[in-house]
Amino acid sequence: AQSVTQLDSHVSVSEGTPVLLRCNYSSSYSPSLFWYVQHPNKGLQLLLKYTSAATLVKGINGFEAEFKKSETSFHLTKPSAHMSDAAEYFCVVSDIAGNQFYFGTGTSLTVIP
Amino acid sequence: EPEVTQTPSHQVTQMGQEVILRCVPISNHLYFYWYRQILGQKVEFLVSFYNNEISEKSEIFDDQFSVERPDGSNFTLKIRSTKLEDSAMYFCASSVREGRGEQFFGPGTRLTVL
Repeated sequence: AQSVTQLDSHVSVSEGTPVLLRCNYSSSYSPSLFWYVQHPNKGLQLLLKYTSAATLVKGINGFEAEFKKSETSFHLTKPSAHMSDAAEYFCVVSDIAGNQFYFGTGTSLTVIP
Repeated sequence: EPEVTQTPSHQVTQMGQEVILRCVPISNHLYFYWYRQILGQKVEFLVSFYNNEISEKSEIFDDQFSVERPDGSNFTLKIRSTKLEDSAMYFCASSVREGRGEQFFGPGTRLTVL
């Protein structure tokens, strides 16, 4: 079965400092992994995805994530937080057919000015 | 930029009533999905839909639920005889293809059952 665990329900950083949102996955096959962001009253927007190509994935708005099979991790990072990054972030793994997405519980990111 | 839209943004209903949640997927997408998120819990898969039929569904998606693409643009989720525990945020999504393709999500409909 597929699942993801987001290790932090809330993360708070100062503007201009690095962001690290942690995600560990469980999958019986080579997974596809995604990070989505949700701003208030908006839909879930794709930040980046890993689908068995390069292990370091670059996404929008300066975010990137590294797929580490040995650690079953797919942590999301950004070198310098911006106020507009404050949102809810979801780590997602898909099933082998890509029909079902399995969501983590989400991490709420607060950016302090 | 094309996006998935959902209406209404918030629906309040009495227990036992039927509700229809509406979604307009991105126009060239072929695969459609519904998810729900009960407050404080994970986003959960309900159903996927392709070529006018259900391709996959979860245990949550029982006889109380049905989906339909009535007119080639809308994609609806009908919940019959709503229960208190149906209160949740319901997300619609669509994708161009299955098999590890990106799913595009709508903003959600918050359903409150009283």
